[in-house]
Amino acid sequence: KAGVTQTPRYLIKTRGQQVTLSCSPISGHRSVSWYQQTPGQGLQFLFEYFSETQRNKGNFPGRFSGRQFSNSRSEMNVSTLELGDSALYLCASSISASGNTEAFFGQGTRLTVV
Amino acid sequence: QQPVQSPQAVILREGEDAVINCSSSKALYSVHWYRQKHGEAPIFLMILLKGGEQKGHDKISASFNEKKQQSSLYLTASQLSYSGTYFCGTERADSWGKLQFGAGTQVVVTP
Repeated sequence: KAGVTQTPRYLIKTRGQQVTLSCSPISGHRSVSWYQQTPGQGLQFLFEYFSETQRNKGNFPGRFSGRQFSNSRSEMNVSTLELGDSALYLCASSISASGNTEAFFGQGTRLTVV
Repeated sequence: QQPVQSPQAVILREGEDAVINCSSSKALYSVHWYRQKHGEAPIFLMILLKGGEQKGHDKISASFNEKKQQSSLYLTASQLSYSGTYFCGTERADSWGKLQFGAGTQVVVTP
């Protein structure tokens, strides 16, 4: 079966711009989570959506937002980009509402802010 | 709250063993372990639910001590393919779906 697909794979944006990243989960998966990965910081949790509802949120400013559609596809938006937003953004999908199933990660979108 | 992983890095020769620890100050519902190789997505290794069970994946196993809220990953008779960064992810019972990861442990296995 197809894995988690993230688009685009690479992005270069200028400070102050906004950006939208997309994530298509594995078919049948209803939970989608987003993470920011930077060297030395590991995977920082952004938010998690389940059945079109944001169920959990991490400690990121309001410039980071997301949504999930009825087909479980998810988008993440970052407004007013800052240099520090440069990172690899990963999304992960899982089938269950609870934590006893594995999460499948996409290849990520590498965002560079200049 | 992110779990704390230790050590930050470990260098092994093929065939040696290593232990990676992951601890939380909060009561956990589950602990997940993932491995990420450079330029690749993290891949799932195993999940441990509260109850102290131990699981295995080839010669990689893990345990979860519910009293200490600590999980340990054991790399036994390490192989070159074990190289990568290992992340533990923790989930609390009051926030299903919120999987928070530690900073990672870089493992390098040399011939």
